[in-house]
Amino acid sequence: EVELAESGGGLVQPRGSLRLSCVVSGFTFSSYAMTWVRQAPGQGLEWVSTISTSGGSPYYADSVKGRFTISRDNSKNTLYLQMNSLRVDDTAVYYCARDRVAGSARWFDPWGQGTLVTVSS
Amino acid sequence: SYELTQPPSVSVSPGQTASITCSGDKLGNKYACWYQQKPGQSPVLLIYQDNKRPSGIPERFSGSNSGNTATLTISGTQPMDEADYYCQAWDSAGVFGGGTKLAVL
Repeated sequence: EVELAESGGGLVQPRGSLRLSCVVSGFTFSSYAMTWVRQAPGQGLEWVSTISTSGGSPYYADSVKGRFTISRDNSKNTLYLQMNSLRVDDTAVYYCARDRVAGSARWFDPWGQGTLVTVSS
Repeated sequence: SYELTQPPSVSVSPGQTASITCSGDKLGNKYACWYQQKPGQSPVLLIYQDNKRPSGIPERFSGSNSGNTATLTISGTQPMDEADYYCQAWDSAGVFGGGTKLAVL
């Protein structure tokens, strides 16, 4: 069974840092690109970042570029999101998801259960 | 940056057909997919590559994409289908629509 489990969320002050982890099982992690998506309380989904199988050429949303860094450790089946210079509007549930790609199509399946990040003083 | 627009809400009677639209510039030239999210749960993939259903997704869910609009159609809508629905595309970055709350009244 494919499983993704996020951790590392919590309460952090503005301008602080946090690192999220996503441990996966049930599939060959190194064969799939991976993605982070977030959802602010009561709001819609927002794509955050995507990383390739090797870790090169990551993509970032403009809202997090220069502050967040996506990475992966294929030996540990783990995806990371290092979040620096956090702002109040980064408050959200952060989901990791497995990428599926076919030509120019890209979709996310499945998703983890999410981890809540709260940025507040 | 690329944008996708969905109606905030759609209402449907049980057993009827619900259609949820997703609009974007030349969206038909890209691939659209759809997710369902129920309260307190993670999103679940419903449709990918415009009109393909993952295993385990009921046949009453279908998708289409042409011109500037992708459409999720739910035939014979059931009360359990009441949820938020999101479209998504890829344009050198991930893009989600704002979401549509489906009410089954």
